[in-house]
Amino acid sequence: DIVMTQTPLSLSVTPGQPASISCKSSQSLLHTDGETYLYWFLQKPGQPPQLLIYEVSKRFSGVADRFSGSGSGTDFTLKISRVEPEDVAVYYCMQGVQLPRPFGQGTKLEIK
Amino acid sequence: QVLLVESGGGVVQPGRSLTLSCAASGFTLSDYIMHWVRQAPGKGLEWVASISFDGSSEYYADSVKGRFTISRDNSKNKLFVQMKTLRREDSAMYFCGRYDYWGQGTLVTISS
Repeated sequence: DIVMTQTPLSLSVTPGQPASISCKSSQSLLHTDGETYLYWFLQKPGQPPQLLIYEVSKRFSGVADRFSGSGSGTDFTLKISRVEPEDVAVYYCMQGVQLPRPFGQGTKLEIK
Repeated sequence: QVLLVESGGGVVQPGRSLTLSCAASGFTLSDYIMHWVRQAPGKGLEWVASISFDGSSEYYADSVKGRFTISRDNSKNKLFVQMKTLRREDSAMYFCGRYDYWGQGTLVTISS
């Protein structure tokens, strides 16, 4: 099974400053079809997970352009260019290459 | 539009069983691998189970293996998870989803 490891587990950021979260997979997420299936989600308390980024760097419908994803193979990064108060949430990565699909441990973003 | 609605949650005694349902609309269920995830109070998101397009393959987190059974009825656009021998640590909000869209969740509380 593929294991997803996120760092850091918590992040405290001043509004307007950037934030970055790392996600590493235990195996390459490059599929035989040429796509790399790495997703980023956020979850706010009491709400379902919300997809932010799919296939490493593609923003899901309605997602603000301050969110961006990058990476390849086994190393991936989610960046928020300018953190806003509404970005307070827990952020998760997940792989989509094979089942099962466990999430990373989650990174809690707080505002200073 | 894509809509996923979970039902079947409630308060159940330890050791008892419960079946959750997820009604899907706005898309063809058989086109997607489907998932159940959960969030216990104050905890992070935990992947619970996944099922292949046609239901021929199932995958479970170690914490529920042997006790939970995921299934689907593509003709009725429904996803299920049958939960047996429930434990207090199974108390959580349960969400069904296809990775890009998730339902609002149904709350399961295990308590005597």
